[in-house]
Amino acid sequence: AQTVTQSQPEMSVQEAETVTLSCTYDTSESDYYLFWYKQPPSRQMILVIRQEAYKQQNATENRFSVNFQKAAKSFSLKISDSQLGDAAMYFCAYRSWVYGNKLVFGAGTILRVKS
Amino acid sequence: DTEVTQTPKHLVMGMTNKKSLKCEQHMGHRAMYWYKQKAKKPPELMFVYSYEKLSINESVPSRFSPECPNSSLLNLHLHALQPEDSALYLCASSPGTGANTDTQYFGPGTRLTVL
Repeated sequence: AQTVTQSQPEMSVQEAETVTLSCTYDTSESDYYLFWYKQPPSRQMILVIRQEAYKQQNATENRFSVNFQKAAKSFSLKISDSQLGDAAMYFCAYRSWVYGNKLVFGAGTILRVKS
Repeated sequence: DTEVTQTPKHLVMGMTNKKSLKCEQHMGHRAMYWYKQKAKKPPELMFVYSYEKLSINESVPSRFSPECPNSSLLNLHLHALQPEDSALYLCASSPGTGANTDTQYFGPGTRLTVL
């Protein structure tokens, strides 16, 4: 079974600076998808970024980018120019190519942004 | 438009009550999901409907009864709940099942309190 590990329960970053959230996963599959979701205190889960395992190029979405290391099974999220609105719980999630209905979530990382 | 709506936003019910949660999407998605989320924890999958048929039931107690009247609507009927069922209930939808771009989009959730 696949597992997702987020080893940082909480992180803090100063406004306008850069922060990296870590995620590792375990799988025997060669094709899969990885996601970062953001859940602010208002609670709606929002998709931040998605990475297809068969693509070597790291995904980017504006200030958000990932460092995808397939061999190391690592999928970290970098947030550049952090803003107060980035404060949230961030979940890393794995989606199997075969069992596509199931998302396997990590435990989450609370990100605090200091002004 | 990636909007999933849920009603009500908040629900308080006694253990003998019967209530229903409603989820709606108009994105033409053919898969819909119910998750349960406790505070500061990742969502836990409860049910998956694929093309209006129940495809996954994660051994959820029978006091939770899902219903998918049509491809846009998903209900969760609640009866004889326990205080430990108090949680945020999230609905999600995705374009299909098994597709290689099958990202799940979440609604804002219903905060349920069982007294």
